[in-house]
Amino acid sequence: EPEVTQTPSHQVTQMGQEVILRCVPISNHLYFYWYRQILGQKVEFLVSFYNNEISEKSEIFDDQFSVERPDGSNFTLKIRSTKLEDSAMYFCASRPTFNYGYTFGSGTRLTVV
Amino acid sequence: SQELEQSPQSLIVQEGKNLTINCTSSKTLYGLYWYKQKYGEGLIFLMMLQKGGEEKSHEKITAKLDEKKQQSSLHITASQPSHAGIYLCGADVAGNKLTFGGGTRVLVKP
Repeated sequence: EPEVTQTPSHQVTQMGQEVILRCVPISNHLYFYWYRQILGQKVEFLVSFYNNEISEKSEIFDDQFSVERPDGSNFTLKIRSTKLEDSAMYFCASRPTFNYGYTFGSGTRLTVV
Repeated sequence: SQELEQSPQSLIVQEGKNLTINCTSSKTLYGLYWYKQKYGEGLIFLMMLQKGGEEKSHEKITAKLDEKKQQSSLHITASQPSHAGIYLCGADVAGNKLTFGGGTRVLVKP
């Protein structure tokens, strides 16, 4: 069964450093998303991406965050200057079109020290 | 903004017993998703409900959507240790993102 692949599974970074989280969505999907889950809290929407541009972003997704689809397969989330409060599990998701289910990746656990 | 409340927050059930989890929305539900998460891991898609009154089943798990009550329920029959985990409901907001409930932690005692 097709799956959304995320790498790395776990990343530790120093505060102030840039990190790039990588995702390979399912190949025929057109809509891409990033969510995050701080330990013990709800899964929160960060950003949606369609047709090579951001469709919507949440208040969390400030200027420190950016997304990119550099080629036909990868979808990346960059955090320019990480803060302690960016420590969370980050999930990538994709779906083929509206009214279809969202498929989530297994997540990247980001720890900022 | 849409809020989803799940109840109970956690439950312990004896293996073989049934359990039900509820998810109540503050606004009209257009699409409701159920996911399962093992602690600290990814989200596993269980079911998607789109129409009022819709009911879907997969193996021992049944989900229903009551659009009048703005509520969905997830029912597990004859629970097994493999059913342990965190169950999350998510609502489709304006068709292009999910809002999640806080989750229900299920523990199945052998």
